[in-house]
Amino acid sequence: ETGVTQSPTHLIKTRGQQVTLRCSSQSGHNTVSWYQQALGQGPQFIFQYYREEKNGRGNFPPRFSGLQFPNYSSELNVNALELDDSALYLCASSDRLGGYTFGSGTRLTVV
Amino acid sequence: DQQVKQNSPSLSVQEGRISILNCDYTNSMFDYFLWYKKYPAEGPTFLISISSIKDKNEDGRFTVFLNKSAKHLSLHIVPSQPGDSAVYFCAAFGESGSARQLTFGSGTQLTVLP
Repeated sequence: ETGVTQSPTHLIKTRGQQVTLRCSSQSGHNTVSWYQQALGQGPQFIFQYYREEKNGRGNFPPRFSGLQFPNYSSELNVNALELDDSALYLCASSDRLGGYTFGSGTRLTVV
Repeated sequence: DQQVKQNSPSLSVQEGRISILNCDYTNSMFDYFLWYKKYPAEGPTFLISISSIKDKNEDGRFTVFLNKSAKHLSLHIVPSQPGDSAVYFCAAFGESGSARQLTFGSGTQLTVLP
């Protein structure tokens, strides 16, 4: 049984650029949730996908978008990057009612 | 509007003593609470949870207490070990649209001194 894998582990982007972060879910899990963890804060919910459909969204602007693929892996896209987007981005997979398994995250730095 | 609050950013405890981490919440619709542990360069890992219909759950050295009337929960670790040094997040399940989402506190850095 594989866990949740996120790529890349680290990334540096320039303000205004676009970025795509990737997440492979744990075997048997059909739900993926994305979180942003800024320095010194807890993870903040961005959105969740269940069987390729978005079924929940946190308080993030439309610049943050995503999708889920038939194999339940997922992407998080952020357009028009801002300095405040610098954070650790965490992906978690789960079955519909089960516990979450988190990946190790992608550390995004916007300069 | 922080719905889950951890007011102590850090806590230091001597090895072998009890560690008590506290968490307060404001949303009475939360129905399930969890504690996660996070080491640097790793994602949060699940530690222990409690349903809102219970007031205590114990798993080995870890016990979580829930006081619904005070909207307060705490994590007790006894005896504390140096390997317990990590950031501990309190989290709660609530609804966002049709999604059950986790809302996290800001974390408490626990340091267990040998």
